[in-house]
Amino acid sequence: GAVVSQHPSWVICKSGTSVKIECRSLDFQATTMFWYRQFPKQSLMLMATSNEGSKATYEQGVEKDKFLINHASLTLSTLTVTSAHPEDSSFYICSAPGQGFKSDYGYTFGSGTRLTVV
Amino acid sequence: RKEVEQDPGPFNVPEGATVAFNCTYSNSASQSFFWYRQDCRKEPKLLMSVYSSGNEDGRFTAQLNRASQYISLLIRDSKLSDSATYLCVVNLSGGYQKVTFGTGTKLQVIP
Repeated sequence: GAVVSQHPSWVICKSGTSVKIECRSLDFQATTMFWYRQFPKQSLMLMATSNEGSKATYEQGVEKDKFLINHASLTLSTLTVTSAHPEDSSFYICSAPGQGFKSDYGYTFGSGTRLTVV
Repeated sequence: RKEVEQDPGPFNVPEGATVAFNCTYSNSASQSFFWYRQDCRKEPKLLMSVYSSGNEDGRFTAQLNRASQYISLLIRDSKLSDSATYLCVVNLSGGYQKVTFGTGTKLQVIP
C-alpha cells in the first residue's frame, strides 16, 4: 500500500533554532501533502496544504513565515519550523491522499515528528 | 458549533462488550466520512470508510445518517487491542480535499 516516510521521528532543539521535517511518498507521487499539528489530548489541526510546484495554502492563524513549507518534487514535502520556541513543541504529522489506496479516498499518514523545544 | 464533534470519553468497557461511538458534523454538504484509529503517540490509521448504506468489516460496523448529520461506529466483542482513540474524519467535497478531524473518542477495553 501507499507509504509516507516522515523524518525525524522526534527532535529536541534549543529555542531560536530551526527544525526541518521531511515527508516522502515512497511508492506513489504525492501532488498534495497536508501538514497537521497535534497538541496533547487535542485533535489534529490542519496547518497548511502543500502542492507540488506551487505555494502552500496556510490555514487561518498559521504563520507562513514561521512554518515554511516546500514541495519541490512529487515525492518530497518539507516543513521547517523557524526560530522555534517552547510553544511550538507538538506532534507534527503529514498526510497524503492515498493513491490507489482502496479507492476510498483514504489518506496515508507519515509516522509523525515529536518536536520538543527547550 | 464545531465542524466535527465527538464525545472525548474515555469509554471504559470490559472485554467482549459492544460499544458505539457517534460523531456529528455541521456541514450538510459533507460527502466523505471515515473512522480512523490513533494509538498513543502514533499516527492515525484508517479503520474504515463510511458509506451511505452502512458497512461492516468484521467486528466493526459504520453507519451514516445524513438527515441527522452523524456517523457512528459500533465495535462488537471488544478486544484489549481495540484500546485506542477513534477519530471521526469528514471531507467536505469528496476527492482529495482537506479533511476535518474530530477530537477523538478514547476507548479503553478492560480485562
